[in-house]
Amino acid sequence: EIVMTQSPATLSVSPGERATLSCRASQTISSKLAWYQQKPGQAPRLLIYDASTRATGIPARFSGSGSGTEFALTISSLQSEDFAVYYCQQYNNWPRTFGQGTKVEIK
Amino acid sequence: EVQLVESGGGLVQPGGSLRLSCAASGLTFSNSWMNWVRQAPGKGLVWVSRISNDGSDSVYADSVRGRFSISRDNAKNTLYLQMNSLRADDTAVYYCADGSKAYYDYWGQGTLVTVSS
Repeated sequence: EIVMTQSPATLSVSPGERATLSCRASQTISSKLAWYQQKPGQAPRLLIYDASTRATGIPARFSGSGSGTEFALTISSLQSEDFAVYYCQQYNNWPRTFGQGTKVEIK
Repeated sequence: EVQLVESGGGLVQPGGSLRLSCAASGLTFSNSWMNWVRQAPGKGLVWVSRISNDGSDSVYADSVRGRFSISRDNAKNTLYLQMNSLRADDTAVYYCADGSKAYYDYWGQGTLVTVSS
């Protein structure tokens, strides 16, 4: 099973600042990586797939990068609605596995 | 608009059974490879099971294999998860999700399953 490790666990950021979240895979997954955003009491929402492609309707301030084992999600200028938990997920191998999440909180 | 609506969650005793349903609309369900993903209270996301579009192939996480069974009725646009021999660590919100593209672009709102005596 591929282990996905996200860092940091919590990121404190002021509105308008840039946030960078990291995700590492325990073995290479090519670019088969997705990022999801989850707010309290809501289902996850797809942000990024294939490591760097924004899903439909996702603002341009969200960008993804990386391949192989190292990946990043960058939010260029945090808006109030971006404070949430973010998960990465690999879909290169079975079972599909998620990272443990990074909580982006208001500083 | 794609809608996935789960139902069937509730409180069940350890060792009991429960069947979850996920009603789909706004997509061609018979083409969709469907999944169940769960989230224990305050914890992260865990993939549980996937079924092919025609129901001929299914896969399970090790933690549920032999206890859970995924199925579908394409005539009713509905996905199911039969859960037997439930344990306390099965307590979670269960989401259905469309995984036709390998990642999950559509999710239901989830249904809570609580296993407790």
